[in-house]
Amino acid sequence: GAGVSQTPSNKVTEKGKYVELRCDPISGHTALYWYRQSLGQGPEFLIYFQGTGAADDSGLPNDRFFAVRPEGSVSTLKIQRTERGDSAVYLCASSRDISYEQYFGPGTRLTVT
Amino acid sequence: AQSVTQLDSQVPVFEEAPVELRCNYSSSVSVYLFWYVQYPNQGLQLLLKYLSGSTLVESINGFEAEFNKSQTSFHLRKPSVHISDTAEYFCAVSLDTGRRALTFGSGTRLQVQP
Repeated sequence: GAGVSQTPSNKVTEKGKYVELRCDPISGHTALYWYRQSLGQGPEFLIYFQGTGAADDSGLPNDRFFAVRPEGSVSTLKIQRTERGDSAVYLCASSRDISYEQYFGPGTRLTVT
Repeated sequence: AQSVTQLDSQVPVFEEAPVELRCNYSSSVSVYLFWYVQYPNQGLQLLLKYLSGSTLVESINGFEAEFNKSQTSFHLRKPSVHISDTAEYFCAVSLDTGRRALTFGSGTRLQVQP
């Protein structure tokens, strides 16, 4: 079956602009996670959803970052007033529920110029 | 909070040689342990996991890892590597209850040379 998909695969934006990153989880997966991977580092947790609600957003670095999952499936990560330090690969993962293994998407590479 | 340390950022090895990628973790509560692999230009894939039971876990492509609670380690081993094993390997932990977000190490790049 189809895996986790993320769009766009690459996004270049100017400092100060607003961006949206989309994640389509595996069908039927109730848990959805966002991670950020900077160059040379392992992924870092940002936020996770169980269904429609954000169950844990403790990893969001500041209030410029926000994520939604209005219908319990697709999720959008939103970044306001982007900064060069936001440049990274943003990864999405989903799992059947929080007790099961996470399947990762290919990521969105965000470059802020 | 949990943390994961992968001491080796790069491990060069010749084809058919054995390899060990080291992973140590820190946590005040019980955790689950994982190894993920990232091949060039691909996404993260789960290689193997320890949830409970036997402390030795194996993957379908010949890797194995052993959970050592006293040493808080989960080293990854393979007795004979192939060129195709060249990739970035990430060790990760999650709590075994509640929040299941993964905490990753910084990764080890395995470079298999002919």
